[in-house]
Amino acid sequence: DTGVSQNPRHKITKRGQNVTFRCDPISEHNRLYWYRQTLGQGPEFLTYFQNEAQLEKSRLLSDRFSAERPKGSFSTLEIQRTEQGDSAMYLCASRGDSRETQYFGPGTRLLVL
Amino acid sequence: DAKTTQPPSMDCAEGRAANLPCNHSTISGNEYVYWYRQIHSQGPQYIIHGLKNNETNEMASLIITEDRKSSTLILPHATLRDTAVYYCIVRVAVDAGKSTFGDGTTLTVKP
Repeated sequence: DTGVSQNPRHKITKRGQNVTFRCDPISEHNRLYWYRQTLGQGPEFLTYFQNEAQLEKSRLLSDRFSAERPKGSFSTLEIQRTEQGDSAMYLCASRGDSRETQYFGPGTRLLVL
Repeated sequence: DAKTTQPPSMDCAEGRAANLPCNHSTISGNEYVYWYRQIHSQGPQYIIHGLKNNETNEMASLIITEDRKSSTLILPHATLRDTAVYYCIVRVAVDAGKSTFGDGTTLTVKP
């Protein structure tokens, strides 16, 4: 069990560019979550997968955001046409069937210039 | 989801117990109390959770009042490495992953 990993850890991009982040959950965890965290605030739920199915999306997830989990293992979060307001830490977490707790990754910090 | 209220910041002396309060007066009968912490620049870390009974693990103790409207997280012997933001969340267990955290309590452990 190597924990949840996220790549890249840091990303700087120019406004209008597209970015993609990757999350590798703990193996055999079928539940995967994405969160966004802005400076000084707690994490905000974005979306949730159970296996490959995206079961819930927060209203925070605008049309420019898309998440996938094609094989029920790793997941990607893409932001199209980035805006300065997208600057934040993007966190991924996973949870197994028999567990009630989540394990978070280290996050990807995005800065949009 | 029930909302939670936490003090924005607290200090604690190293080696002493840290008692972090959380109010959740609108909690429903099937909602659990979860505690996480986040050390600077890291992802949140699960600490403990409970429904109505007090809970203890290797990290902390959770005391839930009889009416379940508030709880206290206790770190029995705080160390400098316990300096972090502590989040109290209330959620039904099946939805436990879809939590939006509040602003939490910044605990500073001082030597």
